[in-house]
Amino acid sequence: QKEVEQNSGPLSVPEGAIASLNCTYSDRVSQSFFWYRQYSGKSPELIMSIYSNGDKEDGRFTAQLNKASQYVSLLIRDSQPSDSATYLCAVDRGAQKLVFGQGTRLTINP
Amino acid sequence: DAGVIQSPRHEVTEMGQEVTLRCKPISGHDYLFWYRQTMMRGLELLIYFNNNVPIDDSGMPEDRFSAKMPNASFSTLKIQPSEPRDSAVYFCASRPSTASTDTQYFGPGTRLTVL
Repeated sequence: QKEVEQNSGPLSVPEGAIASLNCTYSDRVSQSFFWYRQYSGKSPELIMSIYSNGDKEDGRFTAQLNKASQYVSLLIRDSQPSDSATYLCAVDRGAQKLVFGQGTRLTINP
Repeated sequence: DAGVIQSPRHEVTEMGQEVTLRCKPISGHDYLFWYRQTMMRGLELLIYFNNNVPIDDSGMPEDRFSAKMPNASFSTLKIQPSEPRDSAVYFCASRPSTASTDTQYFGPGTRLTVL
C-alpha cells in the first residue's frame, strides 16, 4: 500500500460545477496535510493546508480532513478552466519530509 | 527576488554518461530539497540539506546518485552512470527554517531524458 494514495484520474468536470478530489494516507501519526496544484510543465504550488479534523475554506477551495478515516479531500466550487491541473496531496511525515501522492489530473470543460 | 534557479532546464544524454543538475536556492533559505517526479512514482523526495549538511538521503535510489551542497547558494545532484530509468523531472526546493514544512519554494525543474 502506498503511503499516500490518490485516484490518478483524469477527472473531468463541467465549468461551474464542484470538483471533488480525494486522498487517503496510511500513517496514522501524520498531523499535517496539504494540497498542491501543478500546471502542466510547471512546478507544484501550495494551495491549501489543513491540520485539524473538519473543513477549511479558502475562497473557492475547501479542504476536508477526517483523521479517523485517514482521508483528505479538496473541493473546488464554481470550477473554472484555469483550475485544470494536476492536484497533489501531501502528508507531513515529520523530520522535514513531505510524502506526495501520485496526483489527480483535473480537467474543467467549458 | 529571484526564486529557486535550476539548470539546465532540459538535458538529453545517452546511457552511461554522467549528468549534473544544479540548483541555486533562494537567498537566506536554510533547507534545500531535491525531488524526482515520474508518472509511475509521482513526486519523491531524494535528499535534503540543512545549512549545507545532508540530513536525510534515504530517498536516493542507489549509489549512482550523489548530491552535494558546497555552500549556501549552490547544490548539485549527480548521476553517474545515467540509465534510461533515470528519465524524470528533477525539482529543487528551498525554504527558510522559520517556515513550516509545507512552505517549500520549488524551482522550475530539470527535465532529464536518458536515451
